[in-house]
Amino acid sequence: DGGITQSPKYLFRKEGQNVTLSCEQNLNHDAMYWYRQDPGQGLRLIYYSQIVNDFQKGDIAEGYSVSREKKESFPLTVTSAQKNPTAFYLCASSIQGSSDTQYFGPGTRLTVL
Amino acid sequence: GENVEQHPSTLSVQEGDSAVIKCTYSDSASNYFPWYKQELGKGPQLIIDIRSNVGEKKDQRIAVTLNKTAKHFSLHITETQPEDSAVYFCAASKGTNAGKSTFGDGTTLTVKP
Repeated sequence: DGGITQSPKYLFRKEGQNVTLSCEQNLNHDAMYWYRQDPGQGLRLIYYSQIVNDFQKGDIAEGYSVSREKKESFPLTVTSAQKNPTAFYLCASSIQGSSDTQYFGPGTRLTVL
Repeated sequence: GENVEQHPSTLSVQEGDSAVIKCTYSDSASNYFPWYKQELGKGPQLIIDIRSNVGEKKDQRIAVTLNKTAKHFSLHITETQPEDSAVYFCAASKGTNAGKSTFGDGTTLTVKP
């Protein structure tokens, strides 16, 4: 069963702690993306990667970091430098780039206590 | 960079009526325009897309129209059903393998039975 998975679904973090969100896909897609979604707002791009070992900052990269060591995995770390990290985080993948359909995971809701 | 505006932000229709959501974009180089549907607590899913060499595309009750001159595109849903209730997002990208899509802020569609 092919698809894109994110874990965990809900995550709680204390202020000042780093936390890593998992994203895995078995679609053999080259490109992967991380978005942040706040209530009543659209999707804002955090980071994207078009190939293994390469990634670029999106529109709101400050306070976040990523790695792309394997084609199927694109973890996102929310660092303590992110001032307002409570949000819904969505991971997506596409065959090659932005001209292809993006397939989204189910999302991770991060709450900072 | 690209800017995508989506209207209306909320839309309420009676079951069986039609619903229309409009998006405008700023970058004339954009040439790929997908529409995504997001149900509560889930990731968005593609429902239809259009490329700039086409003016209209239909898939059963859903259609998308594109006006490149005016730089706007619209989603049309006919014979709406309660299960169409969701948040709908438009997006625009340049369709190259480099880079990112820009999303609208979303439209919350409510179909009343």
